[in-house]
Amino acid sequence: TQLLEQSPQFLSIQEGENLTVYCNSSSVFSSLQWYRQEPGEGPVLLVTVVTGGEVKKLKRLTFQFGDARKDSSLHITAAQPGDTGLYLCAGAGGTSYGKLTFGQGTILTVHP
Amino acid sequence: EADIYQTPRYLVIGTGKKITLECSQTMGHDKMYWYQQDPGMELHLIHYSYGVNSTEKGDLSSESTVSRIRTEHFPLTLESARPSHTSQYLCASRQAGGPYEQYFGPGTRLTVT
Repeated sequence: TQLLEQSPQFLSIQEGENLTVYCNSSSVFSSLQWYRQEPGEGPVLLVTVVTGGEVKKLKRLTFQFGDARKDSSLHITAAQPGDTGLYLCAGAGGTSYGKLTFGQGTILTVHP
Repeated sequence: EADIYQTPRYLVIGTGKKITLECSQTMGHDKMYWYQQDPGMELHLIHYSYGVNSTEKGDLSSESTVSRIRTEHFPLTLESARPSHTSQYLCASRQAGGPYEQYFGPGTRLTVT
């Protein structure tokens, strides 16, 4: 069974601070997605990383895929209250063919 | 923007009732999924389908059943709802091949009293 360990589980910060969320596994994934989910809604895809060592930027969000394609990180610069939500990483490939393996999620709260 | 719809958005129902949660997508995706999620928690895959007349059980055991008679439609049915079925149910779809990006519907929040 493939597992994705996501940390931290909870993060409460002030507006303007930086933060990093980590997603780690002992398994190799062919791709990894990051989603953001607001209460009462479905997850929305933020980014997909495919190549080991890949870095993608989406405004204040920076996503990195580990060289060995076993881990990933999401860094937010100068967090804003609008960034509040549940962040989920999900890995594809390996033994879970055709399905995504989801991390446990990180609940981020950004206080004004 | 992904076009995947779920109805109803919210449902409060008594124990023992039969319910069907609807999911439809207009993207022509072959692959569709049902997840169960408690508030703020991880997603658990309960059913998936790789095409018409194809359905499989997911990683989390569920008393629900699904059907896939048309590509765009993937309903989930609970024959006899129980309080333990109270949860959020999310439907997703993706195209074949590619990096496995899934697009989610807005979810159905089910409460069984």
